[in-house]
Order: sequence, then structure tokens, then C-alpha cells
Amino acid sequence: AQTVTQSQPEMSVQEAETVTLSCTYDTSENNYYLFWYKQPPSRQMILVIRQEAYKQQNATENRFSVNFQKAAKSFSLKISDSQLGDTAMYFCAFKGSSNTGKLIFGQGTTLQVKP
Amino acid sequence: NAGVTQTPKFQVLKTGQSMTLQCAQDMNHEYMSWYRQDPGMGLRLIHYSVGAGITDQGEVPNGYNVSRSTTEDFPLRLLSAAPSQTSVYFCASSYTMTGKRAFFGQGTRLTVV
Repeated sequence: AQTVTQSQPEMSVQEAETVTLSCTYDTSENNYYLFWYKQPPSRQMILVIRQEAYKQQNATENRFSVNFQKAAKSFSLKISDSQLGDTAMYFCAFKGSSNTGKLIFGQGTTLQVKP
Repeated sequence: NAGVTQTPKFQVLKTGQSMTLQCAQDMNHEYMSWYRQDPGMGLRLIHYSVGAGITDQGEVPNGYNVSRSTTEDFPLRLLSAAPSQTSVYFCASSYTMTGKRAFFGQGTRLTVV
């Protein structure tokens, strides 16, 4: 069965600094998608970044980038120039070729950006 | 566009009561799903639908019922609420089951006392 693990329940970073959130996953599939979602206190689930497994190049979206290591089944999120608005819970998620279309989520990492 | 709209945002139920969580999307998405979010467990799939008239069970379906009479609406029914169903519920949709991006509603915080 596919699993997603986020081993850091809580993290903090000073404003303007860089922080990396870790995620590992387990699958026997070769083609799949990986995602990072942000959940601020408003509860809204916001897609931060998406990586397609067949693409070697790491995805980037402005201050957000990933380090995708397919062989190691690792998918970390780097947030550069952290801002107070980045304070949120972050979820790593996996989507494979299952016949349910489901997203498999990690446990989440609460990130606090300190002024 | 409104995207995915969930109502209500908050609800308190007594054990044994029934209720329906509403979900509507205006993006003409085929695939819709319901998740529940519990502390330390991420989100887990309850039920999903690949189109009007077609629904199926996800990972944690017990105690919940769904129907999909239109493309736009995908209500989730709690038949007889239990304290174990206290959770935050999210509706999500995507263009197809294999779609690259899911759009989420704002969530419903449900407390069963």
C-alpha cells in the first residue's frame, strides 16, 4: 500500500530565512504525482506545488521549490525568504494510478514563521 | 467562478442525529470526493464519484452515504452521528479521476456530542 510520511510535526523559521520540510513516500508505481498543500488557519487547502514523477526537473513556484529524489522516494519542500503569511500546516500528498483517484496525505507539518 | 462550495462551515450534532453536508462545484468537473481530516492523520478519502449517478467507497466509508444526481452536487450524509465522526470534512473536485489538480472546498468542522 502507498504511504506518505512527514516526520516533522512542527517547525519554525525566522522571517526571510529558508526552511525545508521533509516528505518520504512508498510506492511500487512508476508514474505518479506528488503535491504540497498549504492549510492556513482559515482551513482552506491551497495547492503550493506539484511534481510529476516522470519529470526529472524539480518543480519551482516563486519562493517554493522541491527536491524530488525518485530513487530515494523523497519529496522535500524548500521555502525561501519565508514570510509571515507562510505560517500554516503543510501537507505532502501522493496520487498514483489507483482506481479511486484518491490523494494519499502525510500527517502534516505545522510551520511557524517568526518575525 | 465560485469553485467548490461547502456548507455549512460549522455544525454541532447530538449523537444519533443525521445531517447532510452540501458540496457544489461550478467547474463541470467529473470527479468529486469527500475527505475527513483528523489530527495527526492527514486527510482520508470517505467516498468518491466519477460522474453523475456513479459513486463508490473510499478508505473510511462506514457511517456515511453519498449520491450524485447532478454533475454539480455531491452531498455527504451522516446517517446516525457518532462522536468518532467529529472531524473536519473536505469536499474536492477535479476534471477527471486522473486529473492533475484537486480543488478543495473550505471545509466543515463537525462536532458530535
